[in-house]
Amino acid sequence: DTGVSQNPRHKITKRGQNVTFRCDPISEHNRLYWYRQTLGQGPEFLTYFQNEAQLEKSRLLSDRFSAERPKGSFSTLEIQRTEQGDSAMYLCASSLPAGVAGELFFGEGSRLTVL
Amino acid sequence: AQTVTQSQPEMSVQEAETVTLSCTYDTSESDYYLFWYKQPPSRQMILVIRQEAYKQQNATENRFSVNFQKAAKSFSLKISDSQLGDAAMYFCAYRRGDNDMRFGAGTRLTVKP
Repeated sequence: DTGVSQNPRHKITKRGQNVTFRCDPISEHNRLYWYRQTLGQGPEFLTYFQNEAQLEKSRLLSDRFSAERPKGSFSTLEIQRTEQGDSAMYLCASSLPAGVAGELFFGEGSRLTVL
Repeated sequence: AQTVTQSQPEMSVQEAETVTLSCTYDTSESDYYLFWYKQPPSRQMILVIRQEAYKQQNATENRFSVNFQKAAKSFSLKISDSQLGDAAMYFCAYRRGDNDMRFGAGTRLTVKP
């Protein structure tokens, strides 16, 4: 078990470009979550998956954001036409199967800087 | 909607002393889970301690303990014998069932040698 892995760790892009982040959860975890964290703030929920199904999306997830988990394993978070306000740390977390309430295991995050 | 409030943006403690971080939450549910996470600078979040709402006994993990007051919707974290390695952002979090977790804004803890 290597924990939750996120790539890239840091992405610098120009306004208007598209970016994609990848998250590989802990293998036996079927729940996967995406959060956004700005400097000095707590993580804000974006969306989560149970296997390949996207079960909930936050209002923070504008039309420019899309998340997928095509085979119920890794997930991608794509941001189209990036804006400076998208600059943040994007955190991925995974947890044990539904019905077993417990902790979320977090990755180290992908930091996005939009110039 | 569930909200989590941490009213102390920053706290400071002398090494070997005790510090308490405050957290309040708002929910209409009776069954839920509360957590304290630690986020060291530029490192991933790790779980410090968790509390199931149906348990009256306060959770304890070594030097870390909580004071869970369900009626008051209060969930404070006490760190005893503070160590330099305890310096970090601490986040209080709420989770109902296996839904998503909601976090407070965090408290930055500084430990003075």
